[in-house]
Amino acid sequence: EVQLVESGGGLVQPGGSLRLTCAASGFNFRAYAIAWVRQTPRRGLEWVSSIGASGGGTYFADSVRGRFSVSRDNSRNTLYLQMNSLRLDDSAVYFCARDRVGVAVADTLDYWGQGALVTVSS
Amino acid sequence: DIQMTQSPSSLSASVGDRVTITCRASQSISLYLNWYQQKQGRAPTLLIYSASTLRNGVPSRFSGSGSGTDFTLTISALQPEDFATYYCQQSYTRPFAFGPGTKVDF
Repeated sequence: EVQLVESGGGLVQPGGSLRLTCAASGFNFRAYAIAWVRQTPRRGLEWVSSIGASGGGTYFADSVRGRFSVSRDNSRNTLYLQMNSLRLDDSAVYFCARDRVGVAVADTLDYWGQGALVTVSS
Repeated sequence: DIQMTQSPSSLSASVGDRVTITCRASQSISLYLNWYQQKQGRAPTLLIYSASTLRNGVPSRFSGSGSGTDFTLTISALQPEDFATYYCQQSYTRPFAFGPGTKVDF
């Protein structure tokens, strides 16, 4: 069974940092690109970042570029989202999600984690 | 960036109804359009990709159509488990924007 499990969410002050982890199981992790998508009641679903299967080819939304980084450890079946210089509007539920077939680009997402809540507040 | 819109934002329906949701892209995206379903408190699930291809295991009452800028998701006969929010998403070019969603309820 394909599973993605996010962890690392929590409360952080503006300007702070947080690292989210996505642990994958049930599929050949190193063969799939993975995306991060966040959701808020006001802004809805927002594609944030993606990383290719080999760890190359990282992409970011303009709203997080330069503040967020994404990486993966294929030996541990784990994906990371490092979030720095967090702002109030980064508060959201963050999902990791697998691309349906893609090695390079995560644009069609067939399996999602349950989400991790990130709250940026003073 | 490509903007996605959906209409209506919400609709009320009954079991057995035929439901149609429209999605529009701000520029042509060919067939690069996905549909997701999200139930309250859960992650989205992929229903349809490439505008009209049903994901394995998705009931055949769901169908998608359209190309270019205008797309439609149709539920031929609404079932109790279909009450949810539906999102379109373009997979044509980064950033892969989602529509604002259509909530289907009683």
